[in-house]
Amino acid sequence: DQQVKQNSPSLSVQEGRISILNCDYTNSMFDYFLWYKKYPAEGPTFLISISSIKDKNEDGRFTVFLNKSAKHLSLHIVPSQPGDSAVYFCAASYNFNKFYFGSGTKLNVKP
Amino acid sequence: NAGVTQTPKFRVLKTGQSMTLLCAQDMNHEYMYWYRQDPGMGLRLIHYSVGEGTTAKGEVPDGYNVSRLKKQNFLLGLESAAPSQTSVYFCASGTSGKEQFFGPGTRLTVL
Repeated sequence: DQQVKQNSPSLSVQEGRISILNCDYTNSMFDYFLWYKKYPAEGPTFLISISSIKDKNEDGRFTVFLNKSAKHLSLHIVPSQPGDSAVYFCAASYNFNKFYFGSGTKLNVKP
Repeated sequence: NAGVTQTPKFRVLKTGQSMTLLCAQDMNHEYMYWYRQDPGMGLRLIHYSVGEGTTAKGEVPDGYNVSRLKKQNFLLGLESAAPSQTSVYFCASGTSGKEQFFGPGTRLTVL
């Protein structure tokens, strides 16, 4: 049973608009959450993370929000750019040892 | 500074054959991981290591073995390959178990 879920396999957004990618988790023990971006034929690259003691973390155009009561996190990209088109994975861990990944959301930013 | 490298990039095996995938990192990271990525499943942790000489099971360890004899290398072995092990394999490394740096992946097909 997947402990981290990304229920939207794909998302299409116009350039300049906001992209919102969502992720849900079931294990209340998770205390660290990350987002990775993946281009075809490459390994994932780290984007942004958040600890469970925070509810928001911002890095340039990327902001991650964490709602612990709803066991939900989201990644906001503002403004979206064509180069952001990729597959985005959310991941969660506890004790920083094992990491659990969602199935990914493919973002397409249209020029 | 090559980061994380994986050898080989592609491989085709027949059922029952064995092989070893090599992961090497030059960032002096303590933590190393092996994942497999299958369509619709995201990345699933096979085995991981928190330091030289240590290994631990992840989510899907069956049919795989690993070794971490040197800090910079993490080997993944398939003793008797099965078609269910057809996948893309990613190695990653990191410090403090937080963000991970991924290799480019190995595409394995078992006939």
